[in-house]
Amino acid sequence: KAGVTQTPRYLIKTRGQQVTLSCSPISGHRSVSWYQQTPGQGLQFLFEYFSETQRNKGNFPGRFSGRQFSNSRSEMNVSTLELGDSALYLCASSKGNNEKLFFGSGTQLSVL
Amino acid sequence: AQSVTQLDSQVPVFEEAPVELRCNYSSSVSVYLFWYVQYPNQGLQLLLKYLSGSTLVKGINGFEAEFNKSQTSFHLRKPSVHISDTAEYFCAVSKYSSASKIIFGSGTRLSIRP
Repeated sequence: KAGVTQTPRYLIKTRGQQVTLSCSPISGHRSVSWYQQTPGQGLQFLFEYFSETQRNKGNFPGRFSGRQFSNSRSEMNVSTLELGDSALYLCASSKGNNEKLFFGSGTQLSVL
Repeated sequence: AQSVTQLDSQVPVFEEAPVELRCNYSSSVSVYLFWYVQYPNQGLQLLLKYLSGSTLVKGINGFEAEFNKSQTSFHLRKPSVHISDTAEYFCAVSKYSSASKIIFGSGTRLSIRP
């Protein structure tokens, strides 16, 4: 059974650009969550989608957005990139309530 | 609001020695508690979780943790570590049983010396 797949693995962008990250959950999983990991702030929750609806949201500015498709795949978009957006972005999927989270290996975003 | 404090940023131990990674949490509501491990260049993997019931929780790879409500702690222990346990360990809380909106601690880097 394939795990959580995140693409691309590495990404380099410049300030002001926008970026889209992709996450394919484990087959049968309907919940997808996104986390940002930085050395300074650690792991921070961005948002969670369940059956194409945003169920929970963290404390990030509106430049960070996401969506989930009918096949449960999810995308995360960051507009007007800032240097501080450089981070490892992790996606996690689960079947739903009370179920274990499975994390992908992440997308390493560098903003120059 | 919930918060998690991992008291040690780094813990060096010798191979086959016991280890305890400390975690304290703060919350005004009941929470669910987790320990995750992150190996180099990989995502996070759930070690164990406490939702309810027995306060001693056993996880994968020989790890266990004990929930102590009075001390608001959830320390992780292993009686004998291996080189392969070298990784970063994160304690986490969530007020949702769905494990959504998890609040992570700052992490403890466990380094094993031969």
